[in-house]
Order: sequence, then C-alpha cells, then structure tokens
Amino acid sequence: GAGVSQSPSNKVTEKGKDVELRCDPISGHTALYWYRQSLGQGLEFLIYFQGNSAPDKSGLPSDRFSAERTGGSVSTLTIQRTQQEDSAVYLCASSLVYRGGYTFGSGTRLTVV
Amino acid sequence: GDSVTQMEGPVTLSEEACLTINCTYTATGYPSLFWYVQYPGEGLQLLLKATKADDKGSNKGFEATYRKETTSFHLEKGSVQVSDSAVYFCALRPFQGAQKLVFGQGTRLTINP
Repeated sequence: GAGVSQSPSNKVTEKGKDVELRCDPISGHTALYWYRQSLGQGLEFLIYFQGNSAPDKSGLPSDRFSAERTGGSVSTLTIQRTQQEDSAVYLCASSLVYRGGYTFGSGTRLTVV
Repeated sequence: GDSVTQMEGPVTLSEEACLTINCTYTATGYPSLFWYVQYPGEGLQLLLKATKADDKGSNKGFEATYRKETTSFHLEKGSVQVSDSAVYFCALRPFQGAQKLVFGQGTRLTINP
C-alpha cells in the first residue's frame, strides 16, 4: 500500500481480555517494527522483524506480549490478559533499508478499563 | 547504552517566534540522527536527518546540525507557525546497519496565533 496501515485505530478492552493489533506495512518493505508510546513517555521498542530472520523480541515487556509476521508482510501484535498499564498507543513502522528512517502508521490507541 | 535526551516540554511560543528544541545523545558507535514530528492524531513522520558529523539536515524551515563534539542535534526554526504545533522526537540509529532507532521522550510544541 501507499503507507503503513494499522487497525483498529482505537480499541477499548476490559482488563483480562486478549487483544490483537494489526499492521500492514508498505509493500516491499522488509523490516517491520512495533513501538509503544505511553502517555508522557517516549517510544518504547517492542519487537522487530527483518525478512525471514528470527525476530528481535528484546523489547517485549512480558510474556503476555507476542507478535508474528505472516508471509513477510502483515504483522499482528497480541496482548494476552490485558492490564491497565498496557494502555498506550501502539505504533508500527516499516523500512526498506537500514540506513534510512522509518515510515510509521497512525497507531492503535489501546485503552484497558 | 545508546540513549537520547530531549528538553522537557511542553513548549509554548507565539507565532513567528524563534524555536530551539535541544537534543543530546550518547552512543558507542557512529550514529545517524533523526528528528520525527507527530501532528495531532497522526503517526510519526520523518522531518529531517543527518548521517555524519557536521551534516545539517533541513526540511520545512527546520534545521539541525550533527555536532559530534557536543553530542547534540538541536532542532531550530527561525519563525514558527501555528501549523508547527506537534510533538517532536529526536532519535538515533546507533551505527550503520543497526536495526533499531532509539527515541527521545518527545517534546510537545504549541504555537499560539
């Protein structure tokens, strides 16, 4: 597509429920990143996919968080048993090569009540 | 480790005022430096970048110079507009080929007419 597409744009969920967030990167971009933006905080790296390589999961805050990328394209970030501290904007970005910057999606605002 | 520190916000200015948002970094390698902007309700957009010492990135009237001696990449604009109201993020790629960007905490800028 023309840009990075994320869905849903907003998600309100009850504490303890599972949620899935979707990212559709720019066609042909081999690298895909998930970041989390909490209120008043910077961007926190979560996970990175590059081609067929094993993902870099070093930023995932707990084992309740997982992500997959199917066919080298669409990615899904799953949060199990959501907690109130999971409330944040989850940003996805993709890039073609290492040197440049990222192209970000508009994010999914997750609110856990 | 690698890190980025930005001046704390929020910053409020009048239209046509001069802007400086400070950014300093620590990095073990030779980083590339970036400024991203996030307009209300949108994802982050790359504003400008510099890949080596003394490079100056510029875009939309904004400038930033890569200063290795002071490990800084301050964002400047001579005359701001209301439309510049946004959150600005400084970021670095620790070295060429590094997979992840490291972001500062963001600085919210509000321009009043």
